[in-house]
Amino acid sequence: NAGVTQTPKFQVLKTGQSMTLQCAQDMNHNSMYWYRQDPGMGLRLIYYSASEGTTDKGEVPNGYNVSRLNKREFSLRLESAAPSQTSVYFCASSEAGTGGTQPQHFGDGTRLSIL
Amino acid sequence: RKEVEQDPGPFNVPEGATVAFNCTYSNSASQSFFWYRQDCRKEPKLLMSVYSSGNEDGRFTAQLNRASQYISLLIRDSKLSDSATYLCVVNTGGGYNKLIFGAGTRLAVHP
Repeated sequence: NAGVTQTPKFQVLKTGQSMTLQCAQDMNHNSMYWYRQDPGMGLRLIYYSASEGTTDKGEVPNGYNVSRLNKREFSLRLESAAPSQTSVYFCASSEAGTGGTQPQHFGDGTRLSIL
Repeated sequence: RKEVEQDPGPFNVPEGATVAFNCTYSNSASQSFFWYRQDCRKEPKLLMSVYSSGNEDGRFTAQLNRASQYISLLIRDSKLSDSATYLCVVNTGGGYNKLIFGAGTRLAVHP
């Protein structure tokens, strides 16, 4: 019963390098999300995809791009990594909801360090 | 002002104690409310939804006060396994399933 799967779990990058974080869900959810979590702060939404074929910016989109590859997969790309992007990244998915009635289910995170 | 505010704690309580966490939110259009639990270095997991009339799930009771824009979580008969960070979560309103997470309240239950 996989739920939401993120890869990789850990990654160390040098400033300026690029990488893609992968996320896949097997719950047939329409909506997917990328968050970052920094110490002392709540999860902050980077990008979300309300349904296959659509993506929208969240609270902190600068420095990131996303691709909703199909209904299952939603990837997050850092084109030129910066130390400020050192964080724990979580992918989540949910049923589509109007009025925000649907809880989100999370992957176990990617710990990313940028040197 | 943060959209969702919580006392960061930590709350240090003995096993068997009753403990309550509070949360305030700023968006009066918010319609959905949740409590999530996050263990150290783990992902957030849904603990319970919060309904207007209040709701209970075993030892956990959630209350919502829309007029004061205030949510609470009560844990009775605390267990060691309840030690975690509890996240208050509110949707943004406006028909999107976008959630705003509080920074969390840390609970430590000791023997």
